[in-house]
Amino acid sequence: ELKVEQNPLFLSMQEGKNYTIYCNYSTTSDRLYWYRQDPGKSLESLFVLLSNGAVKQEGRLMASLDTKARLSTLHITAAVHDLSATYFCAVSDRDDKIIFGKGTRLHILP
Amino acid sequence: EAQVTQNPRYLITVTGKKLTVTCSQNMNHEYMSWYRQDPGLGLRQIYYSMNVEVTDKGDVPEGYKVSRKEKRNFPLILESPSPNQTSLYFCASSLSRGRFYGYTFGSGTRLTVV
Repeated sequence: ELKVEQNPLFLSMQEGKNYTIYCNYSTTSDRLYWYRQDPGKSLESLFVLLSNGAVKQEGRLMASLDTKARLSTLHITAAVHDLSATYFCAVSDRDDKIIFGKGTRLHILP
Repeated sequence: EAQVTQNPRYLITVTGKKLTVTCSQNMNHEYMSWYRQDPGLGLRQIYYSMNVEVTDKGDVPEGYKVSRKEKRNFPLILESPSPNQTSLYFCASSLSRGRFYGYTFGSGTRLTVV
């Protein structure tokens, strides 16, 4: 059974700092997704990573996928307050079932 | 505008009173799914549908029903709601399960059962 673990689950950081959120998963997969959720809102797709070594960047966020290590990272560069949100990773298993991590609540202090 | 529309956004109901949460998408997506989101538990799949008249259970289907009579609509039915079904519910759709490029989510329905 595919399990997806994110860490940390909560992160408070200063504006201007860099940090990384980690997403580990337990069985083979080559498709991983990152979503953002603002408080009380829906989930918004950020990145879709479809192969080993995939790297995608949008503004201050960069996501990468290492299928051999079963690890994806979401790197935040020079954080700004607007990036405060909860970030979810999700992984497709071999039956194309999508499993979500529990989410990382990111709080960026001005 | 491509979107998934859920209604209602907020609902307070009493135990045992049947309710339906509607979900409609305008993107001609084959795959639709319902999730519930609870603090500390993340998103858990309730039911999914790979196409018209094809539905299957997710991880937490007890107490819920769904139907997929048309491609665009995928209502979630609670025949006899109980307080443990108080949650935030999301409908989501995707082009197809086999060619999954991520979900488009609805805006969510916050359900309270008293």
